[in-house]
Amino acid sequence: EDQVTQSPEALRLQEGESSSLNCSYTVSGLRGLFWYRQDPGKGPEFLFTLYSAGEEKEKERLKATLTKKESFLHITAPKPEDSATYLCAVQAHNQGGKLIFGQGTELSVKP
Amino acid sequence: DGGITQSPKYLFRKEGQNVTLSCEQNLNHDAMYWYRQDPGQGLRLIYYSQIVNDFQKGDIAEGYSVSREKKESFPLTVTSAQKNPTAFYLCASRDRGLDGELFFGEGSRLTVL
Repeated sequence: EDQVTQSPEALRLQEGESSSLNCSYTVSGLRGLFWYRQDPGKGPEFLFTLYSAGEEKEKERLKATLTKKESFLHITAPKPEDSATYLCAVQAHNQGGKLIFGQGTELSVKP
Repeated sequence: DGGITQSPKYLFRKEGQNVTLSCEQNLNHDAMYWYRQDPGQGLRLIYYSQIVNDFQKGDIAEGYSVSREKKESFPLTVTSAQKNPTAFYLCASRDRGLDGELFFGEGSRLTVL
């Protein structure tokens, strides 16, 4: 069964304190791994798509990496405005375009 | 501006009533999706449609129904058969069929009293 597990469930950082969020996945043939940001009461906002092990993508203070079993979202020198829930999702081959989501990591950055 | 519009944003209903959530997109996307989000849980797929007049059940379709009569519209009906309908409902669409990111609407929060 395809599964996605994110850790930690919640993470509190001080402004400027770099850290990483983990997304472990089990999927029968990865077609793509997606990272989203979600603010309270809002819909998820797309951040990155990764397709193959070794791939990396960056956007401002965020950098996503991918291995055959997991993905990391590295946050460098975070600011309070980076506070949100970060969602990871995977898409397998031959699944009709379905995305399977993890439960998310709630990030809080204090000034 | 292109995007996905969900309405209403908040909805209160009595137990036993059917409710319909609206989802409209002007992105010209072929595929549309409905997800349910509960506290502490990941998004779970209810129904999806890859083309007009066709849709498939997701992982938690029981108690829900959809239609896809127009490319831009994918309404979700939460029926009285859904045992625990209180949740945050998210509609999404996608370009390029099976690839590319999902674009999400702002969500509809349904509370059943």
